[in-house]
Amino acid sequence: AQKVTQAQTEISVVEKEDVTLDCVYETRDTTYYLFWYKQPPSGELVFLIRRNSFDEQNEISGRYSWNFQKSTSSFNFTITASQVVDSAVYFCALSEWGGGSNYKLTFGKGTLLTVNP
Amino acid sequence: GAVVSQHPSRVICKSGTSVKIECRSLDFQATTMFWYRQFPKQSLMLMATSNEGSKATYEQGVEKDKFLINHASLTLSTLTVTSAHPEDSSFYICSAPGVTGGGVMGNQPQHFGDGTRLSIL
Repeated sequence: AQKVTQAQTEISVVEKEDVTLDCVYETRDTTYYLFWYKQPPSGELVFLIRRNSFDEQNEISGRYSWNFQKSTSSFNFTITASQVVDSAVYFCALSEWGGGSNYKLTFGKGTLLTVNP
Repeated sequence: GAVVSQHPSRVICKSGTSVKIECRSLDFQATTMFWYRQFPKQSLMLMATSNEGSKATYEQGVEKDKFLINHASLTLSTLTVTSAHPEDSSFYICSAPGVTGGGVMGNQPQHFGDGTRLSIL
């Protein structure tokens, strides 16, 4: 079973539009961590946010905001007033205990966001 | 600045060649590092967990003899793709957790290298 589902494969918007990227996860752990990463065309992964399972408080950072809802196992990401520079692949990821002292990071398939001028 | 350095960034070589990729943690020690592979337009798939001073832990379906991992020091892990073939062409990315010393905290963001684009002709 897929642990992290990003149902939107590709999204295309026009600059200044708001856009929400969906992420649904699945885990049996009571303690887990969620992340969003951005991967621009150059390939490097850029960390955006982490959230632990005990903290359902939503967060806003500039034009970015995140909505974490345990009841629906969702961790959605909204970009307000999108810009061309936001064009990238965005990955949602789940960190779970993988045995020993290791936590494993499982990525969703990613959502390709294209912001057109 | 980068906290994980990955080298080389790009490799193009002939089929049958072995290729070594280095992943270094800068200014911090990493007893554990992770190696991922990403095919075009696909997600990152964890290949193996590299453990300093002990054997790497491979994910199901990843050939240990094909992808040799060595974690000889607290700041360096290497991935060697042995006798590479065109189907091994991919983007390989390493990461280290954002904690120092032993143990891995799940809430720490992974610091990723910039990746190595491997092309086997």
